Amino acid sequence: DTEVTQTPKHLVMGMTNKKSLKCEQHMGHRAMYWYKQKAKKPPELMFVYSYEKLSINESVPSRFSPECPNSSLLNLHLHALQPEDSALYLCASSPLPQPQHFGDGTRLSIL
Amino acid sequence: AQTVTQSQPEMSVQEAETVTLSCTYDTSESDYYLFWYKQPPSRQMILVIRQEAYKQQNATENRFSVNFQKAAKSFSLKISDSQLGDAAMYFCAYSRGTSYGKLTFGQGTILTVHP
Repeated sequence: DTEVTQTPKHLVMGMTNKKSLKCEQHMGHRAMYWYKQKAKKPPELMFVYSYEKLSINESVPSRFSPECPNSSLLNLHLHALQPEDSALYLCASSPLPQPQHFGDGTRLSIL
Repeated sequence: AQTVTQSQPEMSVQEAETVTLSCTYDTSESDYYLFWYKQPPSRQMILVIRQEAYKQQNATENRFSVNFQKAAKSFSLKISDSQLGDAAMYFCAYSRGTSYGKLTFGQGTILTVHP
C-alpha cells in the first residue's frame, strides 16, 4: 500500500471542464511534488512545494494551478486542458532532502 | 545541468539469475543523491535503493545492490535471484543535496523476467 494517496485514479474530462486532482500524505513530509508522465517516458517535474510554499514551477502552463492548503494535502486544479495534457499525473512527498515517495497516480484523459 | 543516461532501453533475465542495469550521470556538484526507482505496470513509482554521494560503501537492499563509481560517474543496479515480480521499468535518478530535491531521471530500462 502506498503512503501517498492520490484521487481519483482515473479521470476523463472535456477541454472546457474544470476538475481537481488530490494528493494526501500523513508521513510528516514537508516537501510535495507534482509530476506529469507520458507512456514509457520518465516523469517530468511540474511543481514543488516546500513548507506549503510554491518553490519550483517548471514553466507549467497556467491551465494547471497547484494548491497546498496544508502540510498533508496537495491539489492540482485543471481548467481548459488540451488533448496533449492526457498523461499520468504523479504526486510525491519527501522528508528534507530526500527520498521522494510516490503515489499511484491519476490517469487523465482529455476528450 | 545535470544529466542521467540509461543506455539500455530493454533488458531481459531468466528467473533466479542476476542482471545488471547501467546508469551514468553528469554533475559538477559534490553533494548529491542517486536513486533507482521501479515502476511496474501498476504504475506506482517504488523506491528500490538510494546512495548518498559522500558514502563510499555501496548501498544494498536485500536482492538489490549498487555499484557506485563516483569518479567514473557510474551507478549500476544489480538484481540477484531475479523474480517475476521484478519485471518493470527501472529509472535511475539524481538529486542535488539541497533542502528539497528536483529529481533528474534517466530514460528508463524495461526489464523482462522470463520464467
